[in-house]
Amino acid sequence: AQKVTQAQTEISVVEKEDVTLDCVYETRDTTYYLFWYKQPPSGELVFLIRRNSFDEQNEISGRYSWNFQKSTSSFNFTITASQVVDSAVYFCAWSFQKLVFGTGTRLLVSP
Amino acid sequence: DAGVTQSPTHLIKTRGQQVTLRCSPKSGHDTVSWYQQALGQGPQFIFQYYEEEERQRGNFPDRFSGHQFPNYSSELNVNALLLGDSALYLCASSFKTGGYTDTQYFGPGTRLTVL
Repeated sequence: AQKVTQAQTEISVVEKEDVTLDCVYETRDTTYYLFWYKQPPSGELVFLIRRNSFDEQNEISGRYSWNFQKSTSSFNFTITASQVVDSAVYFCAWSFQKLVFGTGTRLLVSP
Repeated sequence: DAGVTQSPTHLIKTRGQQVTLRCSPKSGHDTVSWYQQALGQGPQFIFQYYEEEERQRGNFPDRFSGHQFPNYSSELNVNALLLGDSALYLCASSFKTGGYTDTQYFGPGTRLTVL
């Protein structure tokens, strides 16, 4: 069975600090997809990124970057120069048909 | 282009009652998945509908059932409500390509409280 582990329950940083959210997954499948979603206090899950299992290229989008390493089954997410608006719960997820979510990491960015 | 919409936003029911939640997918999407998110937890997969049939199901009892209509909208029904059914119910839409379910986009959710 697939499993996603987000060991960091909560992280608190001060604005402009860099922060990395960890994600480790378990699967025996060779084809799969990995996702990050953001859940602000409003509750709606916002899609951030998708990577497929054959593409280990790191990706950068503005202040966000993602590091996918199959050798360690990790898909970590870094926010550079964090802002108060980044405060939310972030979920890592594995998928082929259904999404399997981790338990989430609550990020609190204070001014 | 409207995103995924869900109704109602909030719902309060008592134990033993039945509830129906509704979801309209994003334009162009043909697949609807339902998730239950308890407080402080990650969403848990309930089931997925494609071509008006339940295609996959998570570890939820038969009290949870669903339906997909020809216009791809969907309903989630929960019978004989228990206190433990209190949660945020999220609907996600996507489209299927080559047997794989593409990126799922979520609606705002329905907050169900069972008293």
